Amino acid sequence: TQLLEQSPQFLSIQEGENLTVYCNSSSVFSSLQWYRQEPGEGPVLLVTVVTGGEVKKLKRLTFQFGDARKDSSLHITAAQPGDTGLYLCAGAGTSGSRLTFGEGTQLTVNP
Amino acid sequence: NAGVMQNPRHLVRRRGQEARLRCSPMKGHSHVYWYRQLPEEGLKFMVYLQKENIIDESGMPKERFSAEFPKEGPSILRIQQVVRGDSAAYFCASSPSVSLNSPLHFGNGTRLTVT
Repeated sequence: TQLLEQSPQFLSIQEGENLTVYCNSSSVFSSLQWYRQEPGEGPVLLVTVVTGGEVKKLKRLTFQFGDARKDSSLHITAAQPGDTGLYLCAGAGTSGSRLTFGEGTQLTVNP
Repeated sequence: NAGVMQNPRHLVRRRGQEARLRCSPMKGHSHVYWYRQLPEEGLKFMVYLQKENIIDESGMPKERFSAEFPKEGPSILRIQQVVRGDSAAYFCASSPSVSLNSPLHFGNGTRLTVT
């Protein structure tokens, strides 16, 4: 079973601060996706990273896939209250038919 | 273009009753996944279906739980003789492709409460 560990589990910061969320595994993934989920809604895809070492930017969000394709990070610059939500990483195994999700990082950005 | 539709949004059942959760995938999507989520936790895979076929049900309890995705109509997740531990949010996701590099499109879930 491929497991993904996310850290931190909870993060509460002030508006304007920077933060990094980590997603780690001992397994290799063919790709990794990041989702954001708001209360009462389903997760919404933010980005997919496929190549080891890949870096993708989405406005103030920067996603990185580890060289060995076992880990990933999400960095948010100048966080805003609208960034509040549950951030989930999900890995696609090198074999298998489904995505494995991490436990999520609950981010709260206070105004 | 409608997204993934799940109904009902909220479902309350007494212990021992049956729960039926419905999911209509996005138009053109023939791959459906069901996930379960407890409060402030990640999503746990339950089952993956294509039209009329169960591809992977390794995450679904062998007893009381079943899923189908008929040729016509929505995918159904059925829980028989519900117990309090079945209380959770159940999310359905669809994809146009078998490739896991394709994004999953999630519905807004069905929140099941067993009293």
